[in-house]
Amino acid sequence: RKEVEQDPGPFNVPEGATVAFNCTYSNSASQSFFWYRQDCRKEPKLLMSVYSSGNEDGRFTAQLNRASQYISLLIRDSKLSDSATYLCVVNGQAGTALIFGKGTTLSVSS
Amino acid sequence: NAGVTQTPKFQVLKTGQSMTLQCAQDMNHNSMYWYRQDPGMGLRLIYYSASEGTTDKGEVPNGYNVSRLNKREFSLRLESAAPSQTSVYFCASSGWGTDRLEIYGYTFGSGTRLTVV
Repeated sequence: RKEVEQDPGPFNVPEGATVAFNCTYSNSASQSFFWYRQDCRKEPKLLMSVYSSGNEDGRFTAQLNRASQYISLLIRDSKLSDSATYLCVVNGQAGTALIFGKGTTLSVSS
Repeated sequence: NAGVTQTPKFQVLKTGQSMTLQCAQDMNHNSMYWYRQDPGMGLRLIYYSASEGTTDKGEVPNGYNVSRLNKREFSLRLESAAPSQTSVYFCASSGWGTDRLEIYGYTFGSGTRLTVV
């Protein structure tokens, strides 16, 4: 099982749609979870951390299920500007680096 | 608010040439990282430095060396470049929780696009 797995997509949705991305991770000891956004030919940027109780930031909602080792990102009312690749990120062994999924590509069209 | 600064932004090397990618952060982070990103492969860790004075190999260290010059700077060296090292290289830095179980999110540099011909 790969350490962090994501559906690569692409997800093609119209403006205003709700879209959900899922991610699974293999290390049950992981403590830190994130969603990053990466625009074409740009560096990844932190979208939001993911907390055990779930958290929301405007149109974005992140959920964590530790028992199933599963993370999700929900985007409501999609905008054209949401078109990007979304990276699921989990920490590895304590004191080591973050592990990145390969990303899910979202394309929002008018 | 510079964050993480990488130089150069673009570079073309001939096979066998050497070069050093520079990275500096001004956020007083203890940990710094070098990743490469290739199409379809995602971000892969080359080396990281958990704190000043320490470095560790990541997933793909072969063909690279690193130096943590001080708390701010972490350089990546290609001693003898190969076409397989054509990639986009990202440097990142982060802080940690006091128990080192929780890592805070990374801040990335804008990347170095390297082509080896």
